[in-house]
Amino acid sequence: KAGVTQTPRYLIKTRGQQVTLSCSPISGHRSVSWYQQTPGQGLQFLFEYFSETQRNKGNFPGRFSGRQFSNSRSEMNVSTLELGDSALYLCASTDGPEAFFGQGTRLTVV
Amino acid sequence: GENVEQHPSTLSVQEGDSAVIKCTYSDSASNYFPWYKQELGKGPQLIIDIRSNVGEKKDQRIAVTLNKTAKHFSLHITETQPEDSAVYFCAASRDSNSGYALNFGKGTSLLVTP
Repeated sequence: KAGVTQTPRYLIKTRGQQVTLSCSPISGHRSVSWYQQTPGQGLQFLFEYFSETQRNKGNFPGRFSGRQFSNSRSEMNVSTLELGDSALYLCASTDGPEAFFGQGTRLTVV
Repeated sequence: GENVEQHPSTLSVQEGDSAVIKCTYSDSASNYFPWYKQELGKGPQLIIDIRSNVGEKKDQRIAVTLNKTAKHFSLHITETQPEDSAVYFCAASRDSNSGYALNFGKGTSLLVTP
């Protein structure tokens, strides 16, 4: 069974730009969650999608958004990037409460 | 919201010794407690989990204990090996119609020296 695939692995963007990250979950998993990991704040929950609907959201500004497609693949978007958005963005494919993470996308905002 | 505290932040042990990492949580409704291992350049890997109806769970050299009354849970690694060196995270979540959001501790950097 293939694991969670996140693309791209690395991104460098300029302040003010927007970015889209992609996640393909484990086959058969219908739920995808996104987390932000930074040295200062640790791992923080962004949002969760299930059957193309956002069913849970963390405490992040509206610049952070996501969506899920009918094949369960998910994308997250960050608009008007700030330096503080530099982080490792992790996607988790979930089967009930168990979450299986991808390798993440390392976003650097300059 | 849920607050998960994890101690210690760093832990150094000799190969073959045991390592213990402790976490406390604040939300009494939390009922699922996973532990993750994260190696450099990789995403967190689920290594063991426990649900609130169980007090202890073992898988080879790792075990997790849960004390619901005190709201704390611990990870125990026996016979540590250099390849156990990594950052370990505890987390807590609860069953909800609105899904499962993991609340993570800040992590423990474990170093196992030969």
